[in-house]
Amino acid sequence: NAGVTQTPKFRILKIGQSMTLQCTQDMNHNYMYWYRQDPGMGLKLIYYSVGAGITDKGEVPNGYNVSRSTTEDFPLRLELAAPSQTSVYFCASSRGPEAFFGQGTRLTVV
Amino acid sequence: DQQVKQNSPSLSVQEGRISILNCDYTNSMFDYFLWYKKYPAEGPTFLISISSIKDKNEDGRFTVFLNKSAKHLSLHIVPSQPGDSAVYFCAASEPGGTSYGKLTFGQGTILTVHP
Repeated sequence: NAGVTQTPKFRILKIGQSMTLQCTQDMNHNYMYWYRQDPGMGLKLIYYSVGAGITDKGEVPNGYNVSRSTTEDFPLRLELAAPSQTSVYFCASSRGPEAFFGQGTRLTVV
Repeated sequence: DQQVKQNSPSLSVQEGRISILNCDYTNSMFDYFLWYKKYPAEGPTFLISISSIKDKNEDGRFTVFLNKSAKHLSLHIVPSQPGDSAVYFCAASEPGGTSYGKLTFGQGTILTVHP
């Protein structure tokens, strides 16, 4: 049972480049989330989805976009990478209040 | 405005003793509280939770206490083991439905358990 799988694990981007962080879950959870964690800080919610075709903004959505075409997948898109987006990104899914997290993607923008 | 605060960045405990991690919150709408454990280069792992209708929840060596009037919760680990060394995050959510998993996290407390 894989749970929540994120790819890639590491990535270095140049300022202005774009990329998509992939997230897939095999637990048939309706709810999916993207969080970011900056050094010494807690996780902050970027976007979330309550089911296929439904997404909404979290606390820190600027500079990101998401889509949810299937129950399993919830990719996060960075269109114009900026140094402020250097962070560790976590995808999560849940059926109820307890969310299950992937291993994270460490992104550096230079 | 930090709605969930963990005021102790770190805690050091001897193996076998009790570890007490604290968390304060300001949002009265929070009705569900969770503790997550995180090892380096891994995602957070759910540890234990408590609903606002309870004041205590126990799971093996882990107990979470909730004091709603003080807007304070704590995680007790007894006895502490070296494998418990990790970052512990307190998190909170508002009532269910679309708020499921929409967690507000504290900054985390680094627990080190010495053999």
